[in-house]
Order: sequence, then C-alpha cells, then structure tokens
Amino acid sequence: NAGVMQNPRHLVRRRGQEARLRCSPMKGHSHVYWYRQLPEEGLKFMVYLQKENIIDESGMPKERFSAEFPKEGPSILRIQQVVRGDSAAYFCASSPRGLEGAFFGQGTRLTVV
Amino acid sequence: AQTVTQSQPEMSVQEAETVTLSCTYDTSESDYYLFWYKQPPSRQMILVIRQEAYKQQNATENRFSVNFQKAAKSFSLKISDSQLGDAAMYFCAFSMDSNYQLIWGAGTKLIIKP
Repeated sequence: NAGVMQNPRHLVRRRGQEARLRCSPMKGHSHVYWYRQLPEEGLKFMVYLQKENIIDESGMPKERFSAEFPKEGPSILRIQQVVRGDSAAYFCASSPRGLEGAFFGQGTRLTVV
Repeated sequence: AQTVTQSQPEMSVQEAETVTLSCTYDTSESDYYLFWYKQPPSRQMILVIRQEAYKQQNATENRFSVNFQKAAKSFSLKISDSQLGDAAMYFCAFSMDSNYQLIWGAGTKLIIKP
C-alpha cells in the first residue's frame, strides 16, 4: 500500500500563472486535508475534504485558491494567478475516518518567481 | 529510502507527570533535520521542536525536550509536567533539507488524564 503521494515534488511558476498540486490518498482513505507551511512556521490548515465534498475550508484564502476531491482521481489544490507570497510547502494528509490515523505526503514545494 | 516510525499509536499520562513519545528513523545520510509536530483538534500542525542532526546537544523548548541518539537513529520527545492542553496527536518528521520536504511518522495520540 503506497503512502500518500503528492506530485509534483517541486513546482516553479511565474507570477500570474496557475499552480495545480495533486494528492493521491492512501487506498481506502476518503478524508483528505491540505496544509501550507511557510518558512520557519508550523503547518497551517487549509481545507478538509471528503469524496466530492468540501467539509471545512476555513483555512483557505477566499480568492485564487480552490480544492476538490472528485469521486475518481486525486485531490487537487489549485492556485490561480500565483503571487510570490504563495511560495511555500503544501502538504496533503489522508485518513480513513478523520484526523486520527492521518498519513502525510512528502509535500509539494511551490516556488513563485 | 528514508522512513520514520512511531511505534506507539496511543499514550496516556496523568496530569503533571512526564511522558516520552518514541520515534525512530532510517536514513543513510549524515545531515538532516528532525521535527516533532503537535496536532490538536483544531487541525493546525504546530511545530513543537526541531533538531539538526549535526548538533549533538538535545533541543529543548520549555517543557518539551528531545533525546536524540544519532547512532541509534532515535528521536524521542519528552513532555514534562504534562498539562491538559498537551492532549493532541504528535507527529515525528524527518527532512533532508530546510525546505521541509517532510517524511512523517504515523503519529501518537497523547491523552492527558486529569
């Protein structure tokens, strides 16, 4: 059983472009969480999704950011019109039933130039 | 490939007592970083403590300290004078660089008994 897979590992985008970050949860896991980590800080919660539903997006910026977890395929975190301040490591976690038992991916490092 | 193992799915401790959470890892590298993160029900991931592998001195942050045994590839977290607010999931993580491309343990649920 492969772990939580995030791709790409590194992503470079120019200001104004779109960034798409993918997260394939572990087999059997229907809960997905996205976190963002800025340098020297802990991980900040962004969004919690279950299959086809957004459960809690209280940590997501209101503009330019969106997330989905379709019935088939990976969860996608989409950032439109990226700015330098979006540069960070983005982590995805999945679990079968909530935070307890969540496994984390290795993260995607987004650099906006 | 690097791996991180937390062998205790759940630990409980009496308030004001001391508890130690275990973490072992596997790597062939000599320079790396180790972290303990706390995840309360709010879902935020709070960095508790950080250790650079080249430093022999164990990191300490108030009531939190680590026992870093590089040769044994062990990185345990000791919480002294446990408080109710310490109840959370604790994750051990490993990184090869300061960009925090992290490899995570499975977590330990810490229960504090009043």
